[in-house]
Amino acid sequence: GDSVTQMEGPVTLSEEAFLTINCTYTATGYPSLFWYVQYPGEGLQLLLKATKADDKGSNKGFEATYRKETTSFHLEKGSVQVSDSAVYFCALSLSGDYKLSFGAGTTVTVRA
Amino acid sequence: EAQVTQNPRYLITVTGKKLTVTCSQNMNHEYMSWYRQDPGLGLRQIYYSMNVEVTDKGDVPEGYKVSRKEKRNFPLILESPSPNQTSLYFCASTAGRVTDTQYFGPGTRLTVL
Repeated sequence: GDSVTQMEGPVTLSEEAFLTINCTYTATGYPSLFWYVQYPGEGLQLLLKATKADDKGSNKGFEATYRKETTSFHLEKGSVQVSDSAVYFCALSLSGDYKLSFGAGTTVTVRA
Repeated sequence: EAQVTQNPRYLITVTGKKLTVTCSQNMNHEYMSWYRQDPGLGLRQIYYSMNVEVTDKGDVPEGYKVSRKEKRNFPLILESPSPNQTSLYFCASTAGRVTDTQYFGPGTRLTVL
C-alpha cells in the first residue's frame, strides 16, 4: 500500500543550525506530497506541498523538492529558530483519493 | 476566519460510556475526515465524508461511527469506548481537490479509563 517513511526523532538543534528531515514514500501512482507542521498544543498546518516531479515547495524558509527518481521529499531549512520547534509530518495523497497518508512525525526542538 | 472547530478539547471517560466529539467547519468544504494520532504511528484516517449523507471508512474505522447530516458538521461517535481508543483526534476538511490544503481542527485528547 501507499506509505510514507520519515526519519525518526527527536531532533535537537541550536538556533541558526541547518535542518534536514528525510522523507521517502511508496505509492502506486503519482502522489502529491506535503509537509505539515504541528506546533505544541495545536492542530496541523500545511507547511508546503509539491504536486508533480521536480516541483519545489517552499514556505517560511523551508524547502522540499519532489524527487521521483529517489521517491523522496526531504525537508530543509538553512537557519532554524526557536519558533520552529514543532512536530513535522510528511504526507502524500493520490489522485482520486482525498486521504492523506502520514509519516510517523519528527519532533524538532531548537535551543536558543 | 476560516477554521475547523472541535469540542471538547479534552475528555476523560470510562469504558462503555457513549460519547460524541463534534466537528464544524465554516469554509463550505465538501470533504471532511477524522484522524487519530498515536505516538510513532503518525495520523491515521478513521472515517471520511465526500458530502452530506456520504460517508465511508478510512484505515481504522473499528469502534467508531460518523454522520454527515449538514455540510458543516461531521461528528465522531464512540458508542462503547475502550481504552485502546485513548488517543488524540483531529477533524479535517478540504475543498475537494486532492492537491488542496486540508485544514485541521485543534484536536481532542481523549482518555478512556
